[in-house]
Amino acid sequence: QKEVEQDPGPLSVPEGAIVSLNCTYSNSAFQYFMWYRQYSRKGPELLMYTYSSGNKEDGRFTAQVDKSSKYISLFIRDSQPSDSATYLCAMRGYGQNFVFGPGTRLSVLP
Amino acid sequence: DTGVSQNPRHKITKRGQNVTFRCDPISEHNRLYWYRQTLGQGPEFLTYFQNEAQLEKSRLLSDRFSAERPKGSFSTLEIQRTEQGDSAMYLCASSPPGDQRTDTQYFGPGTRLTVL
Repeated sequence: QKEVEQDPGPLSVPEGAIVSLNCTYSNSAFQYFMWYRQYSRKGPELLMYTYSSGNKEDGRFTAQVDKSSKYISLFIRDSQPSDSATYLCAMRGYGQNFVFGPGTRLSVLP
Repeated sequence: DTGVSQNPRHKITKRGQNVTFRCDPISEHNRLYWYRQTLGQGPEFLTYFQNEAQLEKSRLLSDRFSAERPKGSFSTLEIQRTEQGDSAMYLCASSPPGDQRTDTQYFGPGTRLTVL
């Protein structure tokens, strides 16, 4: 079993839809949780950063962390074609060893 | 553009050869990371530098891999005796000094390695 699991997709939604992306993990030592967006042939770009459990909102993006269930989510409201990319969850404990999920490919259709 | 830069962008080599990649982080970023990413997978952590000190290294990292950051600025990643399984995108990221609970990694465009 991998430390971080993520549905690879692809996930196709119509423009304007609410998108839900999820990751599960097995290491209870993880404390910091992140979501990255990666466009084709580009490096990942940080979208959201959350410490421990709870919710965080930034514009159209909401990140949720449930440490008791070892489950994190990213919601995208009013999705746009420009949101089409691969979304990677990442997490770490108190060190700097970041563990990434395999990514979910999202296509937002106009 | 003052983002993270990586060179070369592409490298094709024959099995058994040594290769070296360079990463130039964003100016004044004291933290630097190397990752490897294969198709359909997320980045895999390789190593971490704070200034010139290599503080963390993946336990999965072969002895054929070595990284340096001699003056706390640019970094190099060397792979000796390359194998076909080393074919991947090698990503570098940097973070500014400060509260490590809010660290943001800025990734470079990567170096794509193909081992024939």
